[in-house]
Formats: sequence, structure tokens, C-alpha cells
Amino acid sequence: AQKITQTQPGMFVQEKEAVTLDCTYDTSDQSYGLFWYKQPSSGEMIFLIYQGSYDEQNATEGRYSLNFQKARKSANLVISASQLGDSAMYFCAMREALTQGGSEKLVFGKGTKLTVNP
Amino acid sequence: DGGITQSPKYLFRKEGQNVTLSCEQNLNHDAMYWYRQDPGQGLRLIYYSQIVNDFQKGDIAEGYSVSREKKESFPLTVTSAQKNPTAFYLCASSPRRTLLNQPQHFGDGTRLSIL
Repeated sequence: AQKITQTQPGMFVQEKEAVTLDCTYDTSDQSYGLFWYKQPSSGEMIFLIYQGSYDEQNATEGRYSLNFQKARKSANLVISASQLGDSAMYFCAMREALTQGGSEKLVFGKGTKLTVNP
Repeated sequence: DGGITQSPKYLFRKEGQNVTLSCEQNLNHDAMYWYRQDPGQGLRLIYYSQIVNDFQKGDIAEGYSVSREKKESFPLTVTSAQKNPTAFYLCASSPRRTLLNQPQHFGDGTRLSIL
């Protein structure tokens, strides 16, 4: 079974600075995918960025980028130029096969609560 | 706009009562999922459905039941057998059973509490 570890329960960052949220994973699969989601206090899960194990370049999406280190099995999320609206829970997740029929689910880490200070 | 609608936003359950959480999607997605989130925890899979009239248990299915009579709808019933139902429930969908690089889309959630 896949496992996602987020070791930072909480992180603080000053507005306009960059912050890195850690994510390590454990899998024996050669092909896998990693997702990052943002969960504001209102509760909805917002997809941020995806990294495939065979992607040659680190994923980027606006102010979000992934520091993907395959050998170390880490996929850290970097948020540049933090904004007050970035304050939220952030979850790292990995695809996992459910049945031989090809279904997949997401396996989530416990999350990191990011607080952006003015 | 296409999306996933969960209702109600807040729900209270009395002892011994079954309650049903609604999840409707207009994204034309085949696969739908129910997750449970406890404070300080990530999401755990309760049930999932790949196609209409088919659904499978996830990691924590005990005390829950689902149906998938229509592609758009995947309601979750929290039965009296679920002894600790207080949690945040999230419904999700995806275009196909294999996610590839497509993220699951989530609803806004239902917060269930015990009276």
C-alpha cells in the first residue's frame, strides 16, 4: 500500500515570502502520480498541481511548483510570493490502485496547516 | 458551471438514526467517491463507484451504505451501526476509473455531528 508522510503539522510564513511544504511517499510502483490539494477553512478541496513519476521536469502552476526528488521519494510543494489567501490546510496525495479493474483512489497525508502572516 | 453539489452543509444525527448525505455531479464523470475526514487527519475512502449500479467498499465502509442508481448521484447513508459518525464528509468524482493526471473533483462537504 502507498503511504504519504507530511511531517509539518503547521507552518508559518510572512506575506510575499516563499514557503516549502514537505511530502515524502512510499511506493513500490514504477509509475505513480502525486497531487497537492488546498483545503481552506470552508472545507472544499482545491486541486493545485500534479507530478507524474515519469515527468522529466518538475511541475509548475502559477505560484505553485513541485520540488520532485524521485530518488529521495519526496515531492515538496513550493509556494512563491505567499498571499494571505494561501492560509489553509495543504494535502499531498498519491494515486493507488483499488481493484484489478483499473480503479484508482487517492491516498492522503495528514496535511500541513499553513498560516500566512501580514 | 459544472461541479459537485453536496447537501446539506451541516447535519445532526440522533442516536439510533440513519441519515443520508446527498452528492450530485453534472460533470458527466463515471467514477464517484466518498471520503471521511477527521480533525487533524487526511481523507479516508469509505465507498467508491466506477459505473452506475456498481459500487465497492473502501477502507472504512463499516456502518455506511451507498447506492448509484444514476450517473449523477451517489448518496451516502450513515447508519446507526456507525458508532462514531462525527466527521467531515467529502464526495468526489473523476472522469474515469484510472486517475492518470486528472485530479479528483470535490464537493464542498457535509459536516455531520451527533446530537
